[in-house]
Amino acid sequence: EIVLTQSPATLSLSPGERATLSCRASQSVSTYLAWYQQKPGQAPRLLIYDASNRATGIPARFSGSGSGTDFTLTISSLEPEDFAVYYCQQRNNWLTFGPGTKVDIK
Amino acid sequence: EVQLLESGGGLVQPGGSPRLSCAASGFPFRNYAMGWVRQTPGKGLEWVSTISGSGTSTYYGDSVKGRFTISRDNSKNTLYLQMNSLRAEDTAVYYCAKDLGGSATSWYFDSWGQGTLVTVSS
Repeated sequence: EIVLTQSPATLSLSPGERATLSCRASQSVSTYLAWYQQKPGQAPRLLIYDASNRATGIPARFSGSGSGTDFTLTISSLEPEDFAVYYCQQRNNWLTFGPGTKVDIK
Repeated sequence: EVQLLESGGGLVQPGGSPRLSCAASGFPFRNYAMGWVRQTPGKGLEWVSTISGSGTSTYYGDSVKGRFTISRDNSKNTLYLQMNSLRAEDTAVYYCAKDLGGSATSWYFDSWGQGTLVTVSS
């Protein structure tokens, strides 16, 4: 099983700041990685797939990069609605999810 | 607009066999693979199962293999998860989710239901 590790566990930032979230895989997943956003009481929402492709309707301030074992989700300028938990997911070897990074308001 | 509405959750005794349903609308259901993902506070998000658009191919996570069965009725636009031999560790919110891909399964989920809570307890 491919284990995904996300860091940091919590990221405390202010609106307008840049957020950089990391996801590391225990073995290469090529570019088969997605990012999801989840707000309290809601289902996850797909943001990025295949490491760098934005899903339909996702604002341009969200971007993804990386390949192999190291991936990054960047939110260029945090909007109030972006404070949430973010998960990465790999599909190179079945499906596994990371434990999440919580982005909260500083 | 894609809509996915799960039902069938609730309190179940250990060893029980509930069936979850997911009614889909707003997209050509038969053209898309579908899946179930569960979430617990302790283990986070866990992929449970995926089924192809035609229903001929099914896939399962190791923790449910041999106990859960995924199926679909394309005439009713409905996805199912038959859960057998339930254990306390199966307690979770179960989400129905639509695969991003069309002709080929992408193994990413671009639409999710609101989830249904299954609690396994005596």
